[in-house]
Amino acid sequence: AQSVTQLGSHVSVSEGALVLLRCNYSSSVPPYLFWYVQYPNQGLQLLLKYTSAATLVKGINGFEAEFKKSETSFHLTKPSAHMSDAAEYFCAVSEGDSNYQLIWGAGTKLIIKP
Amino acid sequence: DADVTQTPRNRITKTGKRIMLECSQTKGHDRMYWYRQDPGLGLRLIYYSFDVKDINKGEISDGYSVSRQAQAKFSLSLESAIPNQTALYFCATSDLTLAGADEQFFGPGTRLTVL
Repeated sequence: AQSVTQLGSHVSVSEGALVLLRCNYSSSVPPYLFWYVQYPNQGLQLLLKYTSAATLVKGINGFEAEFKKSETSFHLTKPSAHMSDAAEYFCAVSEGDSNYQLIWGAGTKLIIKP
Repeated sequence: DADVTQTPRNRITKTGKRIMLECSQTKGHDRMYWYRQDPGLGLRLIYYSFDVKDINKGEISDGYSVSRQAQAKFSLSLESAIPNQTALYFCATSDLTLAGADEQFFGPGTRLTVL
């Protein structure tokens, strides 16, 4: 069965510092992987997704993620944090044709310190 | 105007009451979803619908029912609400692009409290 683990329910970084949010998955077939962001009092929106093309995926707002099959990871990074990045971030996995459902991680709340 | 709207945005009700949450979309998508979000648990799928005649149970459908009245409308009902159904509920839509890799578009959520 698919599962998604996000390490750290809260991550705190200083403004201008590197952002690294961790996501590990388990899947019996090559997965599709997603990062969504939820700003306070809003719904979720897609940051980026991996669909078996390039392993390094670039998304909106300067975020990117790298698919590493050997590590079953899809960590999200941003070189320099901005105050506006404060939000909750969710990793999700789909097994594509065999299962249309997204399985979601528990989320990581990103806190930006001035 | 928002592409995916949910009504109501907030609702407080009592145990045993029937509650309906409504979702409308103007994106023209065939696929619609209902999720609940609980702190520390992420999102869990309640029901999903790939078109008006295709409705499927998700991970946690017990205690919930849905109705797909039209392509644009998908309602979630709690026939007899209980306190552990207190949560934030999201509706989402998607269009078929690459199977399983659709981007989902979310409404703003309905915060439901069952006393």
